[in-house]
Amino acid sequence: EPEVTQTPSHQVTQMGQEVILRCVPISNHLYFYWYRQILGQKVEFLVSFYNNEISEKSEIFDDQFSVERPDGSNFTLKIRSTKLEDSAMYFCASSLTGVSGANVLTFGAGSRLTVL
Amino acid sequence: AQRVTQPEKLLSVFKGAPVELKCNYSYSGSPELFWYVQYSRQRLQLLLRHISRESIKGFTADLNKGETSFHLKKPFAQEEDSAMYYCAPEGGGYNKLIFGAGTRLAVHP
Repeated sequence: EPEVTQTPSHQVTQMGQEVILRCVPISNHLYFYWYRQILGQKVEFLVSFYNNEISEKSEIFDDQFSVERPDGSNFTLKIRSTKLEDSAMYFCASSLTGVSGANVLTFGAGSRLTVL
Repeated sequence: AQRVTQPEKLLSVFKGAPVELKCNYSYSGSPELFWYVQYSRQRLQLLLRHISRESIKGFTADLNKGETSFHLKKPFAQEEDSAMYYCAPEGGGYNKLIFGAGTRLAVHP
């Protein structure tokens, strides 16, 4: 069964450093998402991406965050200057035709980011 | 604002007991509704969606538009049902899922 793949599984970084989290969505999917989950809290929507542009972003997704699909297979989340409160599990997800119409989001295993 | 409420953080039952995990939503329109599950050390995965009206692993979920609820039920819980369960309405036409805070189901032998 096709999977969404995320790397790294765990990254430790110093505050102020740039971090790039990588995702390989399912190959024929067209919609891509990033969510995050701070330890002990709910899964929060960050951003959705379709047709090489951001469809929607939450208020969490400020200027420190950016997403890119550089080569048609990878989907990356960049945090320009990490803060302590960015420590969380980051989940990538993809969908064939988007959630509207009840299409399923397939999630990756997550990348745990620890900011020291 | 779109809101999803899962009032119970933890639901602890014995094997064979009935289970109901509550979910209430406040949305305009008629969002699509999903339940996702996360077993220990595994990724978030779809359990079921309202539109399919299916029963998965013995779980069903009924949409009550009057109460804006989408509770997840199973008549006889099994130990392997122990997991984190998330109610996730589609975001009111915004093509994203909004997750509730989750309910941890613990089924004891």
